[in-house]
Amino acid sequence: DVKVTQSSRYLVKRTGEKVFLECVQDMDHENMFWYRQDPGLGLRLIYFSYDVKMKEKGDIPEGYSVSREKKERFSLILESASTNQTSMYLCASSMSDGQGASEGYTFGSGTRLTVV
Amino acid sequence: AQTVTQSQPEMSVQEAETVTLSCTYDTSESDYYLFWYKQPPSRQMILVIRQEAYKQQNATENRFSVNFQKAAKSFSLKISDSQLGDAAMYFCAPQGGSEKLVFGKGTKLTVNP
Repeated sequence: DVKVTQSSRYLVKRTGEKVFLECVQDMDHENMFWYRQDPGLGLRLIYFSYDVKMKEKGDIPEGYSVSREKKERFSLILESASTNQTSMYLCASSMSDGQGASEGYTFGSGTRLTVV
Repeated sequence: AQTVTQSQPEMSVQEAETVTLSCTYDTSESDYYLFWYKQPPSRQMILVIRQEAYKQQNATENRFSVNFQKAAKSFSLKISDSQLGDAAMYFCAPQGGSEKLVFGKGTKLTVNP
C-alpha cells in the first residue's frame, strides 16, 4: 500500500522554537507538497518540490522553509515558531508523468501543530 | 485553476438519499484534471473521484459521480444512496497549472440516520 508518512500526529512547541515537520513517501514520487489547513480557509500551499534539492514557494511561504535532500523526504521548517502558525499541516506527493497532476495527490495523515 | 469556490460550507443529507456538492473554478487552461477529495474525522485525505477535462463523459465511481460543465467551469459531486460513512469534509481540487492542485475551502457533509 502506497504511503506518505508524517512523523508526528500532534506536536506542541513554544514560541520562538525551530520546528521540523518531516514527511516521507515510499512511492518514488517526484513531487512533494506542504499545505496548511485552517477552518474556513481550506488548504493553502506553503512550498512544493519537483525534485531533489529543488523547491518553490507556494501561496503562503512566509515564516517557513523546506529541505529536500533525498527524493523520498520533504521537511518543513518553521524557523521561529509563532502562535499564528498553530494549524494542521498536510504533506502530499504525486508522480510526474508529463501530464501534470493526472493522478492527483497522495496525502499523509497530517500533523496538528500547536504553538504556545 | 487560480480560484476555487465551494459555495456550501455545510450540507446535510438523510441516509440513503442523494446529495450534490457544488464547485466552480477559474482557469485559463484547456486540458487539466479535476478531483474531489474526502477528509473524514480521521483527517486522512482520500481521493474520491477524478475527471479529465478533455473527456466529455462524466466520471463515476460506484455511488459517486460528477457533473462536469467545462464551459461553465463547474464540477459538482453527486453522492447517491448516502451512507453514514460518507460524513466528512469534501474538497474540490482542480489542477492549478503544472503539477499543482488548487483546493476549495471545503463542504462539511453530515449524514443523518
